[in-house]
Amino acid sequence: DAGITQSPRHKVTETGTPVTLRCHQTENHRYMYWYRQDPGHGLRLIHYSYGVKDTDKGEVSDGYSVSRSKTEDFLLTLESATSSQTSVYFCAIYSGRANTDTQYFGPGTRLTVL
Amino acid sequence: AQKVTQAQTEISVVEKEDVTLDCVYETRDTTYYLFWYKQPPSGELVFLIRRNSFDEQNEISGRYSWNFQKSTSSFNFTITASQVVDSAVYFCALSGVNSGGGADGLTFGKGTHLIIQP
Repeated sequence: DAGITQSPRHKVTETGTPVTLRCHQTENHRYMYWYRQDPGHGLRLIHYSYGVKDTDKGEVSDGYSVSRSKTEDFLLTLESATSSQTSVYFCAIYSGRANTDTQYFGPGTRLTVL
Repeated sequence: AQKVTQAQTEISVVEKEDVTLDCVYETRDTTYYLFWYKQPPSGELVFLIRRNSFDEQNEISGRYSWNFQKSTSSFNFTITASQVVDSAVYFCALSGVNSGGGADGLTFGKGTHLIIQP
C-alpha cells in the first residue's frame, strides 16, 4: 500500500460540467501522475508533477488541467467534461522502496460523462 | 517516441499450463526502465517487476519469470504452472529516466487478458 487515495471513486456527470478529481498521498513523494484507462488503449499519461507547482503534459493532456499546491495533493480538472472523457482515471506516485523504484497506483476513479 | 506492443490481446489456457506473455518495445533512449503490472478483475494495478535497460539478467520470482532481450527489444513474462488466481490483464510498460534518476511517465502496452480455466 503506497498510501494513495483517490476521490471520488465513482462519478456520473453531464456534458459541459466541470469535474475535479483528487489524488492524495501520505508519504511525501515528489512525483505524481494522472493516467486514464480505456478499453483497447491500455493506460495513457495525462499530466504529471515533479513537485509543488511543477507540472507537465503527458500524451493525452488536451481537455485536462492539473494543479499541485501542496505535496500531498494532485488535482485533475476537466473544465468542461465531454463524453470522450468517460474513463477510469488512475493516479500514481513514484516511489523507491525495497531497492525497486517504480510507480504505484491508486485505486482509480470511474468517471461517466453523459 | 516510445511504444510498447503486446500483440496477444487475450490468452486462454487450462490451469497448470505454462504461459508466456509477449512484450516488444521501441525507444530511442539509451537508458530506460521496463515494467510489468497486473490488473485483476477487481481493477487495481499491481506492480510485478521493474527492469533497468543495462541489466539483462533474467529474473525468477516463484512461478513468475521474465526474459529481457535487448537485441530483440523484448521483455517477455512467463507464468509456470498457471493458477486460476493468475487470471487478470497484464500490462507491459516502458519509461525513460528523468534527471533525478527516477522513472518518467510510463508508456503502456494495451494489455493481455489472461484467462486461466480450471
